[in-house]
Amino acid sequence: NAGVTQTPKFQVLKTGQSMTLQCAQDMNHNSMYWYRQDPGMGLRLIYYSASEGTTDKGEVPNGYNVSRLNKREFSLRLESAAPSQTSVYFCASSEWGLNTEAFFGQGTRLTVV
Amino acid sequence: KQEVTQIPAALSVPEGENLVLNCSFTDSAIYNLQWFRQDPGKGLTSLLLIQSSQREQTSGRLNASLDKSSGRSTLYIAASQPGDSATYLCAVGHNAGNMLTFGGGTRLMVKP
Repeated sequence: NAGVTQTPKFQVLKTGQSMTLQCAQDMNHNSMYWYRQDPGMGLRLIYYSASEGTTDKGEVPNGYNVSRLNKREFSLRLESAAPSQTSVYFCASSEWGLNTEAFFGQGTRLTVV
Repeated sequence: KQEVTQIPAALSVPEGENLVLNCSFTDSAIYNLQWFRQDPGKGLTSLLLIQSSQREQTSGRLNASLDKSSGRSTLYIAASQPGDSATYLCAVGHNAGNMLTFGGGTRLMVKP
């Protein structure tokens, strides 16, 4: 039972480079989320997808884009990475929105130099 | 804007002690409240989910309570063990933005 799988686990980027963080869940969940975790700031929502085919901005969406590729996969793209995007990124899923339990991936530690 | 606060930020207790972690939130119009555990360098593991209509939830040695009117939740851990050492996060679910708002966490160390 893999749950929520994120790739890569670690990444170092130079300022201005682009990359895509991948997330897949095997629990047949409808809703998926991307969070970032920073010291002193806690976890903050970047984007979410309430169901397949929909995406919406969260608290800190600037500098990011997302794609809900299908029900299983939800990717996060940084078009032009900045040092302020150095963080740990977590993908999460839930069966159906906030009424149900959220399950998190193991995280991607991203450093932008 | 919903704000979630967890006190204390860090806690160290001897093994076997019963302990209480606190979580407070500013807006009582919530969907639910969820407690998570995070081990160093790892993701979050869901411990308990309390719906807004519920007062408490129990799982093994864990009991979480919710008092919406006062904007508070507590996580009670009975007979603590060294394996309970981790950071505990509470998160409030609310309809605005369909998101969870997290507290800063309580870092718990249980000493053998």
